[in-house]
Amino acid sequence: QVQLQESGPGLVKPSQTLSLTCTVSGGSITRAGYYWSWIRQSPEKGLEWIGYIYPTGTTNYNPSLKSRVAISVDTSKNQFSLKLDSVTAADTAVYYCATRHDSPYYFTYWGQGTLVTVSS
Amino acid sequence: DIHMTQSPSTLSASVGDRVTITCRTSESINNWLAWYQQKPGKAPKLLLYKASTLERGVPLRFSGSGSGTEFTLTISNLQPDDFATYYCQQYHDYSPLTFGGGTKVEIK
Repeated sequence: QVQLQESGPGLVKPSQTLSLTCTVSGGSITRAGYYWSWIRQSPEKGLEWIGYIYPTGTTNYNPSLKSRVAISVDTSKNQFSLKLDSVTAADTAVYYCATRHDSPYYFTYWGQGTLVTVSS
Repeated sequence: DIHMTQSPSTLSASVGDRVTITCRTSESINNWLAWYQQKPGKAPKLLLYKASTLERGVPLRFSGSGSGTEFTLTISNLQPDDFATYYCQQYHDYSPLTFGGGTKVEIK
């Protein structure tokens, strides 16, 4: 059973970089067939898919965020990370990491979510 | 982007009722649709994928149907644990994946 846990600062200043980490337990992050995703949720935009990474390094990002986002994997720590540059108040949201075994396109396992507020 | 419209936005129902939620897409997505349930303060939970395939462990009272641009999620014999918000999500166009705005099922 895969378990996911997000961590990172809950408050980020405007124009700075949002950085979050998702720790994977219950198996290796490199196991075949698992894609590792980030999704966020805000009252204004609802659920918004950010992107995913496959441990080989393949990524796919939401075009609306692509110029500001990077997802990476640290296999030594069994973690994957999200970086979002030049944040504004519109990036305030609950951020979830999520995954599923045989598809990067819908999600069986989710972290509990972490609220990130962008404010000075 | 494929736009997702759910209706109704709120639905009042009683335990034992049969409820139906509709999801319409701005273009055809074949049957590449998932449904989630979300309770306050919790992450979404996958209920169905490929429009009608029940995720493992999800009760049989949940069912899905549809293809193209119109889909439905039906909950038969509504249980107290089913009062929640439900979201549809398309994955025909995976850049980007998009979600509906949600339907809140509340107690009448």
